[in-house]
Amino acid sequence: DAKTTQPNSMESNEEEPVHLPCNHSTISGTDYIHWYRQLPSQGPEYVIHGLTSNVNNRMASLAIAEDRKSSTLILHRATLRDAAVYYCILLSGTYKYIFGTGTRLKVLA
Amino acid sequence: DTEVTQTPKHLVMGMTNKKSLKCEQHMGHRAMYWYKQKAKKPPELMFVYSYEKLSINESVPSRFSPECPNSSLLNLHLHALQPEDSALYLCASSQSGTKETQYFGPGTRLLVL
Repeated sequence: DAKTTQPNSMESNEEEPVHLPCNHSTISGTDYIHWYRQLPSQGPEYVIHGLTSNVNNRMASLAIAEDRKSSTLILHRATLRDAAVYYCILLSGTYKYIFGTGTRLKVLA
Repeated sequence: DTEVTQTPKHLVMGMTNKKSLKCEQHMGHRAMYWYKQKAKKPPELMFVYSYEKLSINESVPSRFSPECPNSSLLNLHLHALQPEDSALYLCASSQSGTKETQYFGPGTRLLVL
């Protein structure tokens, strides 16, 4: 199974952009890259996903490297409510989410 | 409505008890999942149901018994659990399971004494 690696923690100042990296060097050609975040005492919440091209939605942007061995989740303007654990996930096979270890994002006021 | 509900929110049980966790969704999704999450760790997949049939069992001990009575409801029956089974149990659903977004419930926090 493909695996992802993420930094354990990152800090950002409020109102500044945040770039959360993820390495997935063993990704296969049909694996989708999903990002979720988990706020304290809540279930994971979908943020964004992509396959090969960069993606944007109202929450974030996803930049995928050309060789697909890494990706970056971009929060354009961090707020205090964005403090959470961010998981980079490969969707491998029909159902199976393979969660990374997650990055704990701290947003400083 | 993208809501998955789980009951109860918290559960404390002894090692000889029998209890059940319940998960419900009304999004018309046909794939439902159980995950286990220990503190400061990512969720780990336990079971997947697709069209009310068990599709994946990730070598989970038999003291955990899943059930999918209909397409909206997923149960996890617990019996003779161990203290190390204490964790957050998350339910999720997706449209049909084919490489798509999963929607998670808030979880049931289980403590086994």
